[in-house]
Amino acid sequence: SQQGEEDPQALSIQEGENATMNCSYKTSINNLQWYRQNSGRGLVHLILIRSNEREKHSGRLRVTLDTSKKSSSLLITASRAADTASYFCATELMYNTDKLIFGTGTRLQVFP
Amino acid sequence: GAGVSQSPSNKVTEKGKDVELRCDPISGHTALYWYRQSLGQGLEFLIYFQGNSAPDKSGLPSDRFSAERTGGSVSTLTIQRTQQEDSAVYLCASSPSRQGTEAFFGQGTRLTVV
Repeated sequence: SQQGEEDPQALSIQEGENATMNCSYKTSINNLQWYRQNSGRGLVHLILIRSNEREKHSGRLRVTLDTSKKSSSLLITASRAADTASYFCATELMYNTDKLIFGTGTRLQVFP
Repeated sequence: GAGVSQSPSNKVTEKGKDVELRCDPISGHTALYWYRQSLGQGLEFLIYFQGNSAPDKSGLPSDRFSAERTGGSVSTLTIQRTQQEDSAVYLCASSPSRQGTEAFFGQGTRLTVV
């Protein structure tokens, strides 16, 4: 089964609005990462947050991590049409060979 | 190389045939992953290689699936006696060290079993 569950499954917004995606996971982690996927092919790494961090920023991206609730959120501010993609969280598991397990993803559509 | 390379990009095969999918990771990367993604779905973990450690095969869906990584570099995912439900995009990724580093993905192989 998937380690991570994301919501919403799909999100449609207008350019300039903020987009928030949430990820919940089940077991203890070393870190949590967010990836972006265009057109159903290769994924691109966006940001990594370690288990001892609570918030991290990168450009228009803001990620939070709450290990007590086993959840994370990705905020994209001032969205652009080019942000249209699927976004996935991935957890590096702490006790199980530190492999990366991906969530179910959020499909973001940004309308110009 | 410049990035993770997967071949072929697309593969159409008849039900019951065997297929081999290849992944060339970034040179020097010790970790290599295989994932499967069905249309509109998330990434399903298949197998994980880390250096000289025994691979984590816990995600392989059946004994028809196997993978090798030769010399700590190139990896081959083999699917024997393919079934229609094996149709998906197979993604390979590599990363440079054991923990706390990003994974770099190839563009995937789209497998269609007819």
